[in-house]
Amino acid sequence: KAGVTQTPRYLIKTRGQQVTLSCSPISGHRSVSWYQQTPGQGLQFLFEYFSETQRNKGNFPGRFSGRQFSNSRSEMNVSTLELGDSALYLCASSLGLAASTDTQYFGPGTRLTVL
Amino acid sequence: DQQVKQNSPSLSVQEGRISILNCDYTNSMFDYFLWYKKYPAEGPTFLISISSIKDKNEDGRFTVFLNKSAKHLSLHIVPSQPGDSAVYFCAAKKTSGNTGKLIFGQGTTLQVKP
Repeated sequence: KAGVTQTPRYLIKTRGQQVTLSCSPISGHRSVSWYQQTPGQGLQFLFEYFSETQRNKGNFPGRFSGRQFSNSRSEMNVSTLELGDSALYLCASSLGLAASTDTQYFGPGTRLTVL
Repeated sequence: DQQVKQNSPSLSVQEGRISILNCDYTNSMFDYFLWYKKYPAEGPTFLISISSIKDKNEDGRFTVFLNKSAKHLSLHIVPSQPGDSAVYFCAAKKTSGNTGKLIFGQGTTLQVKP
């Protein structure tokens, strides 16, 4: 079974631009979560989507948004990029069962550099 | 407020010996805990998990211990191998919240010397 894929793997943008990152979950997984990893803050939860609906949201500004499509693929968008948005953005997929202990499996990440 | 803490940024052990990685949490609502391993330029890889109804879970060389009263968990790797050298993250979640949201510790870099 193919793992979680993320595109692109690397991205360089300048301040003020916007960016869209893509994630394809493991086949059969309906939940997709996004995390930001930075050296100072570690892995921080951005948001989670399940069946095209946002199920939970982390403590990030409104410049960070996402969506999920009917095939469970997900995109996240960051508008008006700031230098501090430079990070590794990780996508994780899971079955998404309620009150569940199902495991999240991570993709390789997208390394975003903002100049 | 750091709800999950890994107080040791790094750990170095000799090949064949035991590696013990520690993790503390503050939120008593957390009832499911996971350990992930991460190599540079890759996403975290799931290692092992434990539910709060257990105090130990074992999978091959990896064992996770949970002490609920102390809000502490640890990952034991026996025997340690050079390929285990990576960053290890513990993560916690509340299964009652109908969400997959994980709260991660800051990570511990393990170096296993040949």
